[in-house]
Amino acid sequence: KAGVTQTPRYLIKTRGQQVTLSCSPISGHRSVSWYQQTPGQGLQFLFEYFSETQRNKGNFPGRFSGRQFSNSRSEMNVSTLELGDSALYLCASSSWDRSYEQYFGPGTRLTVT
Amino acid sequence: QKEVEQNSGPLSVPEGAIASLNCTYSDRGSQSFFWYRQYSGKSPELIMSIYSNGDKEDGRFTAQLNKASQYVSLLIRDSQPSDSATYLCAPMDSNYQLIWGAGTKLIIKP
Repeated sequence: KAGVTQTPRYLIKTRGQQVTLSCSPISGHRSVSWYQQTPGQGLQFLFEYFSETQRNKGNFPGRFSGRQFSNSRSEMNVSTLELGDSALYLCASSSWDRSYEQYFGPGTRLTVT
Repeated sequence: QKEVEQNSGPLSVPEGAIASLNCTYSDRGSQSFFWYRQYSGKSPELIMSIYSNGDKEDGRFTAQLNKASQYVSLLIRDSQPSDSATYLCAPMDSNYQLIWGAGTKLIIKP
Protein backbone atom coordinates (compact mmCIF):
# COMPACT_ATOMS: atom_id res chain seq x y z
CA LYS A 1 0.00 0.00 0.00
CA ALA A 2 1.41 3.38 -0.98
CA GLY A 3 2.07 5.81 1.84
CA VAL A 4 1.09 9.43 2.25
CA THR A 5 2.51 11.65 -0.45
CA GLN A 6 3.08 15.38 -0.32
CA THR A 7 3.98 17.81 -3.05
CA PRO A 8 6.08 19.75 -3.50
CA ARG A 9 8.83 18.54 -1.19
CA TYR A 10 10.65 21.86 -1.11
CA LEU A 11 9.47 25.37 -1.78
CA ILE A 12 11.02 28.82 -1.59
CA LYS A 13 8.67 31.79 -1.56
CA THR A 14 8.91 35.51 -0.92
CA ARG A 15 7.11 37.40 1.81
CA GLY A 16 3.61 38.41 0.75
CA GLN A 17 3.18 35.57 -1.73
CA GLN A 18 0.80 32.69 -1.27
CA VAL A 19 1.45 28.97 -1.44
CA THR A 20 -0.59 25.81 -1.91
CA LEU A 21 0.58 22.45 -0.61
CA SER A 22 -0.92 19.12 -1.57
CA CYS A 23 -1.37 15.86 0.31
CA SER A 24 -2.59 12.49 -0.95
CA PRO A 25 -3.55 10.13 1.90
CA ILE A 26 -3.14 6.40 2.11
CA SER A 27 -5.76 4.68 -0.02
CA GLY A 28 -8.95 4.22 2.00
CA HIS A 29 -8.07 6.86 4.59
CA ARG A 30 -10.66 9.60 4.88
CA SER A 31 -9.05 11.80 7.53
CA VAL A 32 -6.22 14.19 6.74
CA SER A 33 -4.54 16.35 9.36
CA TRP A 34 -2.05 19.12 8.74
CA TYR A 35 0.76 20.16 11.06
CA GLN A 36 3.45 22.81 11.13
CA GLN A 37 6.79 21.86 12.63
CA THR A 38 9.46 24.37 13.57
CA PRO A 39 12.53 23.88 15.78
CA GLY A 40 11.21 26.29 18.38
CA GLN A 41 7.52 25.28 18.52
CA GLY A 42 7.58 21.60 17.76
CA LEU A 43 4.54 20.04 16.07
CA GLN A 44 1.59 22.40 15.89
CA PHE A 45 -1.83 21.24 14.70
CA LEU A 46 -3.32 23.27 11.85
CA PHE A 47 -6.56 21.50 10.92
CA GLU A 48 -8.15 18.17 10.19
CA TYR A 49 -10.48 17.20 7.38
CA PHE A 50 -12.77 14.21 7.24
CA SER A 51 -15.01 13.46 4.29
CA GLU A 52 -14.47 16.96 2.87
CA THR A 53 -15.43 18.69 6.13
CA GLN A 54 -13.11 20.53 8.46
CA ARG A 55 -13.58 18.75 11.75
CA ASN A 56 -10.91 20.35 13.95
CA LYS A 57 -8.89 23.52 13.73
CA GLY A 58 -5.80 24.67 15.59
CA ASN A 59 -4.84 28.16 16.69
CA PHE A 60 -3.52 29.58 13.48
CA PRO A 61 -4.52 32.83 11.76
CA GLY A 62 -7.02 32.86 8.91
CA ARG A 63 -4.15 33.10 6.41
CA PHE A 64 -3.93 29.33 6.81
CA SER A 65 -6.74 27.47 5.12
CA GLY A 66 -7.37 24.05 3.71
CA ARG A 67 -9.79 21.87 1.90
CA GLN A 68 -10.39 18.25 1.10
CA PHE A 69 -11.65 16.76 -2.12
CA SER A 70 -14.02 13.87 -2.68
CA ASN A 71 -11.07 11.51 -3.28
CA SER A 72 -9.71 12.50 0.19
CA ARG A 73 -6.78 14.43 -1.26
CA SER A 74 -6.22 17.63 0.65
CA GLU A 75 -4.63 20.98 0.04
CA MET A 76 -3.57 23.70 2.41
CA ASN A 77 -3.06 27.30 1.44
CA VAL A 78 -1.11 30.02 3.14
CA SER A 79 -1.74 33.54 1.93
CA THR A 80 0.39 36.64 2.51
CA LEU A 81 3.41 34.65 3.60
CA GLU A 82 5.49 35.85 6.52
CA LEU A 83 9.08 34.95 7.42
CA GLY A 84 7.74 33.07 10.45
CA ASP A 85 5.83 30.70 8.17
CA SER A 86 9.10 29.00 7.24
CA ALA A 87 8.65 25.47 8.51
CA LEU A 88 8.15 21.84 7.68
CA TYR A 89 4.50 21.26 6.81
CA LEU A 90 3.35 17.74 7.45
CA CYS A 91 0.16 15.98 6.61
CA ALA A 92 -0.99 12.77 8.21
CA SER A 93 -3.76 10.44 7.19
CA SER A 94 -5.93 8.13 9.22
CA SER A 95 -8.74 5.75 8.45
CA TRP A 96 -10.24 7.06 11.70
CA ASP A 97 -13.30 4.86 11.59
CA ARG A 98 -11.15 1.73 12.01
CA SER A 99 -8.11 3.17 13.73
CA TYR A 100 -7.03 6.51 15.13
CA GLU A 101 -3.44 5.94 14.09
CA GLN A 102 -2.03 8.75 11.96
CA TYR A 103 0.57 8.15 9.28
CA PHE A 104 2.72 11.02 8.11
CA GLY A 105 3.87 12.03 4.69
CA PRO A 106 7.44 13.19 4.06
CA GLY A 107 6.51 16.84 4.48
CA THR A 108 6.97 20.03 2.49
CA ARG A 109 9.86 22.23 3.54
CA LEU A 110 8.75 25.85 3.02
CA THR A 111 11.27 28.66 3.17
CA VAL A 112 10.02 32.24 3.10
CA THR A 113 12.57 34.90 2.22
CA GLN B 1 -4.40 23.98 28.37
CA LYS B 2 -3.73 20.35 27.51
CA GLU B 3 -0.09 19.54 28.05
CA VAL B 4 2.28 16.71 27.36
CA GLU B 5 5.62 16.67 29.11
CA GLN B 6 8.68 14.78 27.99
CA ASN B 7 12.28 15.08 29.08
CA SER B 8 13.93 16.86 26.15
CA GLY B 9 17.21 15.00 26.69
CA PRO B 10 19.46 14.16 25.10
CA LEU B 11 19.19 10.75 26.71
CA SER B 12 22.38 8.81 26.13
CA VAL B 13 22.20 5.02 26.31
CA PRO B 14 24.93 2.43 25.54
CA GLU B 15 24.30 0.09 22.64
CA GLY B 16 22.55 -3.07 23.79
CA ALA B 17 21.04 -1.46 26.89
CA ILE B 18 17.40 -0.59 27.58
CA ALA B 19 16.29 2.94 26.72
CA SER B 20 13.40 4.26 28.80
CA LEU B 21 11.38 7.21 27.54
CA ASN B 22 8.73 8.81 29.72
CA CYS B 23 5.73 11.04 29.11
CA THR B 24 3.10 12.61 31.34
CA TYR B 25 -0.09 14.23 30.12
CA SER B 26 -2.66 16.54 31.65
CA ASP B 27 -5.89 15.55 29.86
CA ARG B 28 -7.67 12.88 31.94
CA GLY B 29 -10.02 12.33 29.00
CA SER B 30 -7.26 10.90 26.81
CA GLN B 31 -7.89 7.27 25.93
CA SER B 32 -5.51 6.65 23.04
CA PHE B 33 -1.77 7.14 23.11
CA PHE B 34 0.86 7.06 20.41
CA TRP B 35 4.64 7.02 20.19
CA TYR B 36 6.39 8.35 17.12
CA ARG B 37 10.03 8.27 16.13
CA GLN B 38 11.49 11.14 14.14
CA TYR B 39 14.91 11.12 12.56
CA SER B 40 16.54 14.48 11.95
CA GLY B 41 15.11 16.09 8.82
CA LYS B 42 12.44 13.39 8.40
CA SER B 43 8.78 13.12 9.23
CA PRO B 44 7.45 11.31 12.33
CA GLU B 45 6.98 7.56 12.04
CA LEU B 46 4.42 5.70 14.15
CA ILE B 47 6.04 3.11 16.42
CA MET B 48 3.38 2.10 18.90
CA SER B 49 -0.17 2.81 19.87
CA ILE B 50 -1.64 1.84 23.24
CA TYR B 51 -5.20 2.14 24.47
CA SER B 52 -5.42 0.08 27.69
CA ASN B 53 -3.58 0.21 30.98
CA GLY B 54 -0.61 -2.10 31.17
CA ASP B 55 2.10 -3.15 28.75
CA LYS B 56 2.04 -3.65 25.02
CA GLU B 57 5.00 -5.28 23.33
CA ASP B 58 6.05 -5.13 19.67
CA GLY B 59 9.46 -6.54 18.92
CA ARG B 60 12.08 -4.61 20.87
CA PHE B 61 9.54 -1.93 21.84
CA THR B 62 7.26 -1.99 24.88
CA ALA B 63 4.74 0.75 25.61
CA GLN B 64 3.42 1.09 29.15
CA LEU B 65 0.30 3.02 30.11
CA ASN B 66 -1.02 4.08 33.51
CA LYS B 67 -4.09 6.25 33.08
CA ALA B 68 -4.54 6.82 36.81
CA SER B 69 -1.07 8.36 36.99
CA GLN B 70 -1.47 9.98 33.54
CA TYR B 71 1.78 8.42 32.51
CA VAL B 72 2.92 6.59 29.42
CA SER B 73 6.37 5.23 28.65
CA LEU B 74 8.30 3.54 25.88
CA LEU B 75 11.02 0.99 26.49
CA ILE B 76 13.48 0.03 23.78
CA ARG B 77 15.36 -3.18 24.49
CA ASP B 78 18.74 -4.06 22.96
CA SER B 79 19.15 -0.46 21.79
CA GLN B 80 20.86 -0.02 18.44
CA PRO B 81 22.58 3.06 16.99
CA SER B 82 19.74 3.19 14.44
CA ASP B 83 17.37 3.91 17.35
CA SER B 84 19.02 7.32 17.77
CA ALA B 85 16.22 9.76 17.04
CA THR B 86 13.71 12.04 18.71
CA TYR B 87 10.75 10.20 20.24
CA LEU B 88 7.42 11.99 20.38
CA CYS B 89 4.61 11.12 22.75
CA ALA B 90 1.10 12.00 21.55
CA PRO B 91 -2.06 11.37 23.58
CA MET B 92 -5.34 11.85 21.74
CA ASP B 93 -7.83 14.20 23.38
CA SER B 94 -11.60 13.87 23.49
CA ASN B 95 -11.85 15.74 20.14
CA TYR B 96 -9.70 13.00 18.55
CA GLN B 97 -6.87 15.49 18.19
CA LEU B 98 -3.29 14.48 18.96
CA ILE B 99 -1.58 16.59 21.62
CA TRP B 100 2.16 16.55 21.01
CA GLY B 101 5.03 16.52 23.43
CA ALA B 102 8.25 18.31 22.50
CA GLY B 103 10.01 14.98 22.20
CA THR B 104 12.99 13.27 23.80
CA LYS B 105 16.22 13.09 21.84
CA LEU B 106 17.74 9.64 22.25
CA ILE B 107 21.37 8.90 21.47
CA ILE B 108 22.59 5.31 21.39
CA LYS B 109 26.35 5.14 21.87
CA PRO B 110 28.19 2.26 20.15
